[in-house]
Amino acid sequence: GAVVSQHPSWVICKSGTSVKIECRSLDFQATTMFWYRQFPKQSLMLMATSNEGSKATYEQGVEKDKFLINHASLTLSTLTVTSAHPEDSSFYICSASLTSGIYNEQFFGPGTRLTVL
Amino acid sequence: EDQVTQSPEALRLQEGESSSLNCSYTVSGLRGLFWYRQDPGKGPEFLFTLYSAGEEKEKERLKATLTKKESFLHITAPKPEDSATYLCAVQAGNTGKLIFGQGTTLQVKP
Repeated sequence: GAVVSQHPSWVICKSGTSVKIECRSLDFQATTMFWYRQFPKQSLMLMATSNEGSKATYEQGVEKDKFLINHASLTLSTLTVTSAHPEDSSFYICSASLTSGIYNEQFFGPGTRLTVL
Repeated sequence: EDQVTQSPEALRLQEGESSSLNCSYTVSGLRGLFWYRQDPGKGPEFLFTLYSAGEEKEKERLKATLTKKESFLHITAPKPEDSATYLCAVQAGNTGKLIFGQGTTLQVKP
């Protein structure tokens, strides 16, 4: 149980185009999903918190207009990188929160490798 | 400020050589401490969640423990397939956000 998928697993795009990444919780409903990015040999950096049916909460320094997040259902959140540039190239990972009583655990997707040419 | 520090940054072991990874944390209102394993090019794989000091959890060759200031991930008789980066994260407050340490990269040689 507690499986999270991401699509696509990798994408290459030209500078100036937009890219959409999907994150799905396959066997549970997640009221909250999170988006991270990870640079080589570094740890995960939280970009935003996504709650179903409401606007995402972005971390300081993350551009809201560049990284559009939509959490339309309890099993799907999307991250759209708008007008992508080479510096946006990174490994993007989502997680979904599974809450049971007082316990709250996060399960991660396999990640999406974005390369902007 | 909430903070998580992992040590060592890198660890090389011979197969069968047991050791421990450390995760020190400073956080107000700890809701949970998480351990994940991450292989290159993949997302973190959930290992354990610890919720209160004194709690211990085991899974195969791994055992996680928690005190009020730190957590240890003990690896008993490791095998080469245990080679990975091990991430520690803490959860504080009601947002569910995780604060990650920098990770410990473990290499187990046969």
